[in-house]
Amino acid sequence: GAVVSQHPSWVICKSGTSVKIECRSLDFQATTMFWYRQFPKQSLMLMATSNEGSKATYEQGVEKDKFLINHASLTLSTLTVTSAHPEDSSFYICSAGRQGSNSPLHFGNGTRLTVT
Amino acid sequence: DAKTTQPPSMDCAEGRAANLPCNHSTISGNEYVYWYRQIHSQGPQYIIHGLKNNETNEMASLIITEDRKSSTLILPHATLRDTAVYYCIPTTSGTASKLTFGTGTRLQVTL
Repeated sequence: GAVVSQHPSWVICKSGTSVKIECRSLDFQATTMFWYRQFPKQSLMLMATSNEGSKATYEQGVEKDKFLINHASLTLSTLTVTSAHPEDSSFYICSAGRQGSNSPLHFGNGTRLTVT
Repeated sequence: DAKTTQPPSMDCAEGRAANLPCNHSTISGNEYVYWYRQIHSQGPQYIIHGLKNNETNEMASLIITEDRKSSTLILPHATLRDTAVYYCIPTTSGTASKLTFGTGTRLQVTL
């Protein structure tokens, strides 16, 4: 079945530094990937839609200059949290779907970011 | 996006059927009902989806009412590993369709 891989699974960084999270579709091509954020005891909130070869589309209230998304190939999207602060500590999850099909979206296992 | 209502929590004894309801009375004619679950500290896992007809796969069954305003996910023989938060999400089909997660139902399967 479709597999989406995220790396790293967890990361701790100091306030003010930047962190890059990778999302890969391992056995299929994905023109569209989605990035979510989940705070403790809350549901997943969509941050942005990542489009291969073009700019990401951000949800209202999500700062595009802080959360940089790059979708340079059909199998890889990256999310960079720039100048991270403790309030950016969260569980970041990506999802992707097989290009050109109606198959359901599949999710990575998430990246837990802790900013100290 | 259609609004959904799910009970915040449910309990089920292991081995029994778990029936998880979802109300989606504002669902559009071209929207499917997708069900995902999230086990603690993992990414969501796809379970099943349907448009009008009832569906069954190796994980679960999905019963959709004739007016499509509600549906029920059935786990026929719940196990402890089915303990998770279950989300029903109406959305158009296709890989470009984003999923909007509500608060879901926290299912606790007990011995």
